[in-house]
Amino acid sequence: GDSVTQMEGPVTLSEEAFLTINCTYTATGYPSLFWYVQYPGEGLQLLLKATKADDKGSNKGFEATYRKETTSFHLEKGSVQVSDSAVYFCALKGYSTLTFGKGTMLLVSP
Amino acid sequence: DTAVSQTPKYLVTQMGNDKSIKCEQNLGHDTMYWYKQDSKKFLKIMFSYNNKELIINETVPNRFSPKSPDKAHLNLHINSLELGDSAVYFCASSQGWWGGHSFIEQFFGPGTRLTVL
Repeated sequence: GDSVTQMEGPVTLSEEAFLTINCTYTATGYPSLFWYVQYPGEGLQLLLKATKADDKGSNKGFEATYRKETTSFHLEKGSVQVSDSAVYFCALKGYSTLTFGKGTMLLVSP
Repeated sequence: DTAVSQTPKYLVTQMGNDKSIKCEQNLGHDTMYWYKQDSKKFLKIMFSYNNKELIINETVPNRFSPKSPDKAHLNLHINSLELGDSAVYFCASSQGWWGGHSFIEQFFGPGTRLTVL
């Protein structure tokens, strides 16, 4: 079945540091890939998406590129802010399935 | 205005009790979902309703019963609560079912933290 593997957290960074959160997937067919963000005490929000190979999703300074050859969808941001502290979920959508990774907590200090 | 709301926000109860969590969305969506997020932040879909009809029912114990009185509400009733039911439960909604080849964004509520003692 489909699966999503994310790097273990927490990831601890100083403000303005570069962020990478790794995500790899296993799926049949041609899934769509997503990153969701969960701020403390809130529900998940869609951060960005990519629906086919080589697509780059971007939003709020975050980017991720759908790499079919490496089955990866790593999340990056050039300069993180304290307000980016949250849990980030990589997710995969097949035809009738929606699979989330276990989430990676990001902690950004001033 | 909150798009997807859940009540209560926190629920602490004893093993063996029966409890309900309510969810309401004011987005006019026709599909609603329940997810369970365990202590390790792992998120799993439990149920999905489209136009008040159950369309997804993952391997969830029979003690869990969703009820959709109308398209704007999807409540979750849990009988004979067990320690392993402790988790955060998220409600979500979307306009149309997310299945198929198209992408349909889901909007999540703030979650209900259930603690079973």
